[in-house]
Amino acid sequence: EVQLGESGGGLIQPGGSLRLSCAASGLSVTSNYMTWVRQAPGKGLESVSVIYSSGATFYAASVRGRFTISRDNSRNTLYLQMDSLRAEDTAVYFCARVAYSSIDSWGQGTPVTVSS
Amino acid sequence: DVVMTQSPLSLSVTLGQPASISCGSSQSLAHNDGNTYLTWFQQRPGQSPRRLITKVSYRDSGVPDRFSGSGSGTDFTLKISRVEAEDVGIYYCMQGTHWPIFTFGPGTTVEIK
Repeated sequence: EVQLGESGGGLIQPGGSLRLSCAASGLSVTSNYMTWVRQAPGKGLESVSVIYSSGATFYAASVRGRFTISRDNSRNTLYLQMDSLRAEDTAVYFCARVAYSSIDSWGQGTPVTVSS
Repeated sequence: DVVMTQSPLSLSVTLGQPASISCGSSQSLAHNDGNTYLTWFQQRPGQSPRRLITKVSYRDSGVPDRFSGSGSGTDFTLKISRVEAEDVGIYYCMQGTHWPIFTFGPGTTVEIK
């Protein structure tokens, strides 16, 4: 059974940095395409970043240059390094597995609040 | 970038009655591999999204057969044949044809009348 568990969210001041983690079981974060999706309070879903099994990375325009997706094979963990945070980055962040151009497994999400 | 739309944005349905949600895309979602990568998710209150249907009409394992998907090109539909209380939530369509960054529709809130 695939399980994804996010952590690392919290309250951070504008301009600050935060690193989110997603511990995986039942799948290898290195062998799969993985993605981070966020949901602002009361809003819809926004795809933020994707990492291919090859290691290639992609970002939404709204976070490009500020966020970095990465993974650790030994820990079987996906990461999202978020720098220069803005109020509009406030959201619940989900990690998820990509399969056949869709998303088939989601974590429970970790909340990030950017506020002074 | 592909823009996804949904209508209606809110739906109030009597238990046991059908419901229908439309999803549109600004570009055709037909991929040159022959597939159309349109996915439907359900998000119940306080929960993560759950995939219901992939590639327009293929139900995921465990999804009740009262859920069905149809469509092609730029126009798609999710139908619930008889709404049950557990179907309350927000439904999102998502395109996976023009990625690596997926695009979601704005969501349709389904409530019981």
